[in-house]
Amino acid sequence: EIVLTQSPGTLSLSPGERATLSCRASQSVSSSYLAWYQQKPGQAPRLLIYGASSRATGIPDRFSGSGSGTDFTLTISRLEPEDFAVYYCQQYGSSRMYTFGQGTKLEIK
Amino acid sequence: QVQLQESGPGLVKPSQTLSLTCTVSGGSISSGDYYWSWIRQPPGKGLEWIGYIYYSGSTYYNPSLKSRVTISVDTSKNQFSLKLSSVTAADTAVYYCARVKAMAPFDYWGQGTLVTVSS
Repeated sequence: EIVLTQSPGTLSLSPGERATLSCRASQSVSSSYLAWYQQKPGQAPRLLIYGASSRATGIPDRFSGSGSGTDFTLTISRLEPEDFAVYYCQQYGSSRMYTFGQGTKLEIK
Repeated sequence: QVQLQESGPGLVKPSQTLSLTCTVSGGSISSGDYYWSWIRQPPGKGLEWIGYIYYSGSTYYNPSLKSRVTISVDTSKNQFSLKLSSVTAADTAVYYCARVKAMAPFDYWGQGTLVTVSS
């Protein structure tokens, strides 16, 4: 099973700043099979990025994903008030197992 | 626009079986393009994939839960269901149903339903 470790656990930033979230895998993940989700309180996760770097439908271009192998990054170029939430990375395709990272909470500083 | 909606009891006693149903609208479970999944999230914690089912009935489960999980499908009602046996307090969570294609992320999710295991 591939274990995903996200860092930091909590990130405190102000609107307008740049956010960089990390996801590290215990073994190599094909870059086609890494996704990022955003979750707000009381809501289901929303798909942001798939294939490590492709934005899902309707996702603003301030969200971008990058990385390969075992190290992946979600970048939010200029934080909007609605971006403060919990973010999860997820790998799919490894032995038909889906695993998630433990999440990064992005909070207003 | 596909929509998924979970339903079932919000309270289950320890050692009993948790049963939930997901009703799909705006698309057919039988289309063959997708797998239909269950995912859970304990309060204040992260996400755990439980398993999925194809419209034909073939299933795949998270090995950590496999001995207690059964997912079934009713194509006539456009629904799929989850049963989790021998529950304990550790199974208290928000349970989500979601849609996924092979080798793809979860693209549509239900709103989630909280199931509490308590006597």
